[in-house]
Amino acid sequence: AQSVTQPDIHITVSEGASLELRCNYSYGATPYLFWYVQSPGQGLQLLLKYFSGDTLVQGIKGFEAEFKRSQSSFNLRKPSVHWSDAAEYFCAVGEGGGADGLTFGKGTHLIIQP
Amino acid sequence: GAGVSQSPSNKVTEKGKDVELRCDPISGHTALYWYRQSLGQGLEFLIYFQGNSAPDKSGLPSDRFSAERTGGSVSTLTIQRTQQEDSAVYLCASSLVGVRGTGELFFGEGSRLTVL
Repeated sequence: AQSVTQPDIHITVSEGASLELRCNYSYGATPYLFWYVQSPGQGLQLLLKYFSGDTLVQGIKGFEAEFKRSQSSFNLRKPSVHWSDAAEYFCAVGEGGGADGLTFGKGTHLIIQP
Repeated sequence: GAGVSQSPSNKVTEKGKDVELRCDPISGHTALYWYRQSLGQGLEFLIYFQGNSAPDKSGLPSDRFSAERTGGSVSTLTIQRTQQEDSAVYLCASSLVGVRGTGELFFGEGSRLTVL
């Protein structure tokens, strides 16, 4: 069965600093990979997704993520965070065939220091 | 609005009571998903609908949980004889064709259930 691990429950970064959120997945074939953000009091919003092709994908709000098959990782990055980036971030994997739906990690809570 | 709508946004109930949670997906979206979000547990998949049929019910935690979808649109998640461990935020999402298509799930803001 597929699974997603987000090793960091909380991360604190200073405003303007760079950010990397880690995500590792377990799946035999090439998965579909996603990052979602959940801001306080709001629903989850898709930041970016990887299906195939270029392993570096660009998303909304200045985020990007890189698929590394050898490391089974799909880490999310942003060169300079803003206070409005404070939120919960979820990595998810879709099987891409057979059963539909996404398997989510437990999330990383991002705190921005002024 | 044009997004996924869920009701009620908050529900407080007593242990043993039944509750119904409603999801109104984005018009035209054939795929509909229910997830449960508990504190520190991420999102737990419950059930998936394609049209009115539910090809994947594997995530329903017990036979107290059931869901239906009518007219390929509105879905209702029913929890019978609620228990305190059912307290969570129940999220609904819809998708135009499902993960194997565009892959984007559009989420509602959730229904927060508290069982006393």
